Amino acid sequence: DTEVTQTPKHLVMGMTNKKSLKCEQHMGHRAMYWYKQKAKKPPELMFVYSYEKLSINESVPSRFSPECPNSSLLNLHLHALQPEDSALYLCASSQDPILNTEAFFGQGTRLTVV
Amino acid sequence: KNEVEQSPQNLTAQEGEFITINCSYSVGISALHWLQQHPGGGIVSLFMLSSGKKKHGRLIATINIQEKHSSLHITASHPRDSAVYICAGYTGTASKLTFGTGTRLQVTL
Repeated sequence: DTEVTQTPKHLVMGMTNKKSLKCEQHMGHRAMYWYKQKAKKPPELMFVYSYEKLSINESVPSRFSPECPNSSLLNLHLHALQPEDSALYLCASSQDPILNTEAFFGQGTRLTVV
Repeated sequence: KNEVEQSPQNLTAQEGEFITINCSYSVGISALHWLQQHPGGGIVSLFMLSSGKKKHGRLIATINIQEKHSSLHITASHPRDSAVYICAGYTGTASKLTFGTGTRLQVTL
């Protein structure tokens, strides 16, 4: 199994809603990542989890709250988002957070904030 | 200044043509990823290189460490190769990928 699975694929939410994005991998990878991608732009790193601990937060607003319940799962909790937060949210994983190992990406969740 | 520079930004080719996409990167990047993204879709990892050359089907990736340059070649291009191709540099000390701006490839019949 070399897949990173993200759910849901599409999400529309209001600015007062609370929702969560989910990411799952069963490759035994110990590094997991959240990226945000706006149209026609490269992905921007948001968070890195290394061995289930948050190791990098790229100054992301607190309305985005990551969680890593176990080594296979990564969540991104969303609350009080703004329309400019509408984007494709990509999850990725790699075997090791330090060594040069290949990154595997999910299909993304396309989020629309209305 | 972006640590990973890609060229060209846009590329149109006819089916069957040989395609080259280039990527230059800065000091501190220890490995290069080549990624493919179809419109509205997720990202697929094509190659990860830290030296030499890799081949998978019609795709070939090379890297020159001394010149800090990598190329992605597509032989016998096909319309289904139409996608955005992204090179991304891995900064081991920072545990993250730095992405190039992508090359939008359109292969026509």
